[in-house]
Amino acid sequence: GAVVSQHPSRVICKSGTSVKIECRSLDFQATTMFWYRQFPKQSLMLMATSNEGSKATYEQGVEKDKFLINHASLTLSTLTVTSAHPEDSSFYICSAAPFRGLYQETQYFGPGTRLLVL
Amino acid sequence: QKEVEQDPGPLSVPEGAIVSLNCTYSNSAFQYFMWYRQYSRKGPELLMYTYSSGNKEDGRFTAQVDKSSKYISLFIRDSQPSDSATYLCASGTSGSRLTFGEGTQLTVNP
Repeated sequence: GAVVSQHPSRVICKSGTSVKIECRSLDFQATTMFWYRQFPKQSLMLMATSNEGSKATYEQGVEKDKFLINHASLTLSTLTVTSAHPEDSSFYICSAAPFRGLYQETQYFGPGTRLLVL
Repeated sequence: QKEVEQDPGPLSVPEGAIVSLNCTYSNSAFQYFMWYRQYSRKGPELLMYTYSSGNKEDGRFTAQVDKSSKYISLFIRDSQPSDSATYLCASGTSGSRLTFGEGTQLTVNP
């Protein structure tokens, strides 16, 4: 149980294009989904927190117009990197917190999406 | 000061050794404590979850929390090469938002 999928797993795009990453909780409903960014040999950097049906809360320094988050349902959240630039190249990971249950406070992570902007 | 501090290592041990991974935290409001394992180029995988002081055991893994000293530990017994990964501690309050440590890179040598 508690499986989170991400699609695509890897994407290469040209500078200036937009890229959409999907995050799905496959076997549970997620009250909250999180988007992280991770650089090589570094820890997770929280970008934003999204709750189903409401606007995402962005961390300080994260441009909300550049990283658009849509939490359309209790099982799906999307991150769109708009007008991507080479400095946006990174490993993007989503996580989901269960709607209810003993482990409501924890997060289950997707496998990550590696973005390379040329 | 970071809210969760973790020695990044790297830590290298021989197969079969007992591994001790440690974190400290500064926020007294933290109630939940987790350990995640992350293999290279993969998403983190939840290993252990606890919300009280004391020990919690799951197979070869034991999580230990001491709220009085704000200290979190993960012990791995009979370590295996497949345990080679980065281990992340995380803490949080209610509402699911977690604060992660930097991660400790562990290598278990056969």
